[in-house]
Amino acid sequence: NAGVTQTPKFQVLKTGQSMTLQCAQDMNHNSMYWYRQDPGMGLRLIYYSASEGTTDKGEVPNGYNVSRLNKREFSLRLESAAPSQTSVYFCASSEGQITTLAKNIQYFGAGTRLSVL
Amino acid sequence: KNEVEQSPQNLTAQEGEFITINCSYSVGISALHWLQQHPGGGIVSLFMLSSGKKKHGRLIATINIQEKHSSLHITASHPRDSAVYICAVKTFGNEKLTFGTGTRLTIIP
Repeated sequence: NAGVTQTPKFQVLKTGQSMTLQCAQDMNHNSMYWYRQDPGMGLRLIYYSASEGTTDKGEVPNGYNVSRLNKREFSLRLESAAPSQTSVYFCASSEGQITTLAKNIQYFGAGTRLSVL
Repeated sequence: KNEVEQSPQNLTAQEGEFITINCSYSVGISALHWLQQHPGGGIVSLFMLSSGKKKHGRLIATINIQEKHSSLHITASHPRDSAVYICAVKTFGNEKLTFGTGTRLTIIP
């Protein structure tokens, strides 16, 4: 089982360049999430998608856009990368039915380490 | 003040010691998660609990809803337990998790 697959694993960008981080899950999960992790800070939610066709802003959405392409895939786009976006990015997914606790466990991808110079 | 506070931030112990990591939160929650982040960066969900206690192998998680506090215990610690342990809470009616900053645990042989 692949679980949650993120690509690429590493990326170096110059300021102003654009790129898309890809995420796919094979668990038929409804909800998908993009987080960033910075030293000394907890994981912070950038955007999430509670179900196919919907996306919502998280805690730190500025500078990012997302697309829930289908149930499996949730991509994160940096239109004009800035050094402040240097971070490790994690995608996660969950079954996402709020009323059923057991289905709210989030499964994480391996992360994408992004450096913006 | 962060909604989720973990202590200690860093913990170094000898192999075999009993480990306790604490998590306090300031909001009403529907569930609390404990996650483990390996040195390579991968994140794994260890527990999700809303009351009482859960045990998996040498790991035990407890939660006291009234005191807004949870603990993660590791018995007979081993160097392979070295990782960052992260507490996260889920509020009612919300898809989102709020994360603590993590506790870096190092077990010395």
